[in-house]
Amino acid sequence: EAQVTQNPRYLITVTGKKLTVTCSQNMNHEYMSWYRQDPGLGLRQIYYSMNVEVTDKGDVPEGYKVSRKEKRNFPLILESPSPNQTSLYFCASTRLGTDTQYFGPGTRLTVL
Amino acid sequence: AQKVTQAQTEISVVEKEDVTLDCVYETRDTTYYLFWYKQPPSGELVFLIRRNSFDEQNEISGRYSWNFQKSTSSFNFTITASQVVDSAVYFCALSGNNRLAFGKGNQVVVIP
Repeated sequence: EAQVTQNPRYLITVTGKKLTVTCSQNMNHEYMSWYRQDPGLGLRQIYYSMNVEVTDKGDVPEGYKVSRKEKRNFPLILESPSPNQTSLYFCASTRLGTDTQYFGPGTRLTVL
Repeated sequence: AQKVTQAQTEISVVEKEDVTLDCVYETRDTTYYLFWYKQPPSGELVFLIRRNSFDEQNEISGRYSWNFQKSTSSFNFTITASQVVDSAVYFCALSGNNRLAFGKGNQVVVIP
């Protein structure tokens, strides 16, 4: 089954404790992206990647890092999480040229 | 910069009424895609439709229909004879230049 998976689905952590949210897709898509969703703000893009070893900032990259060492994986790293990063995070992927992004199930992160 | 505006934040309707969600977009690109996604209470994002900038044909899929008008930069979505299962947040999105910009979403509440 074609899908985008994220882990963990729920995470409660404390300020400053480094964490990684994994994202994996099995559709051989070149493009992957991370978004955060906050009430009243919709979804905002954090980072995106056009292909392996190619990443770029989205609209709200501060406080986040990403890497794209393999085509299927695009982890989101929070080196020192803060409470304002409490949010619902979505990973998405698409084949270049189609633009239809397929989303993972979401990761609900709470930073205390 | 790309921008998507969904003016109505929450819309309540009684079951079997029609509901129309407005989406107005801004872009300098000549080629772009427009999307609608549904986010039910369970939280996942469900792709509903994609329309490219060269295709102004309206589309109907069951009780859903979309009206794309390039002259007014609008891509409106109508749910006919609404049902309780249509209760969700609906997002309009605009893709171009490898970025996807979302509106803030419309919360639709269908009252039985």
